[in-house]
Amino acid sequence: AQSVTQLGSHVSVSEGALVLLRCNYSSSVPPYLFWYVQYPNQGLQLLLKYTTGATLVKGINGFEAEFKKSETSFHLTKPSAHMSDAAEYFCAVSESGGFKTIFGAGTRLFVKA
Amino acid sequence: ETGVTQTPRHLVMGMTNKKSLKCEQHLGHNAMYWYKQSAKKPLELMFVYNFKEQTENNSVPSRFSPECPNSSHLFLHLHTLQPEDSALYLCASSQEVTGDTGELFFGEGSRLTVL
Repeated sequence: AQSVTQLGSHVSVSEGALVLLRCNYSSSVPPYLFWYVQYPNQGLQLLLKYTTGATLVKGINGFEAEFKKSETSFHLTKPSAHMSDAAEYFCAVSESGGFKTIFGAGTRLFVKA
Repeated sequence: ETGVTQTPRHLVMGMTNKKSLKCEQHLGHNAMYWYKQSAKKPLELMFVYNFKEQTENNSVPSRFSPECPNSSHLFLHLHTLQPEDSALYLCASSQEVTGDTGELFFGEGSRLTVL
């Protein structure tokens, strides 16, 4: 069975600092992996996804994530945080289709001036 | 038209009211979903529709009644709700229920408050 664990329900960084949001997954087959972002009172928006091929995936707003099979991880990074990055971030895994997409509990990112 | 549109964005209702949430997708997808997002809880999948047919009901109370008249429209009918049903209700769509990557496209949500 699939599962997703996001380490840290809250992460706080200073503006300009590195952002690192951690995600570990379990899956019985090669997974599809996603990061979604949710701004206050909005729906979830796809940041980036890994399906096949290159393990370093680049997304919108300067974010990227690396699929590490040996570590069953898909951590999200951004070199320099901006105030507009303050939001909640969800890691998700799917084995086959939207019905099977499992979400992590989310990590709220705070960015300090 | 944006990909997935939800109306209303905000709804306040009493416990004896009947109301409906509407979702429309303009992406040509075959699968649509209702999720519930409550404070400090993970996203909860409520219902799944594939080609208008309901394929999943995650033990949702009968006071929530979904309707999917076609692949582009999804409704959630609400009746005699409880205050604990107050939450953000998110509609999503995907290309398929199974067999594709599982990427979901979300609407902006309907914020429901039950008094």
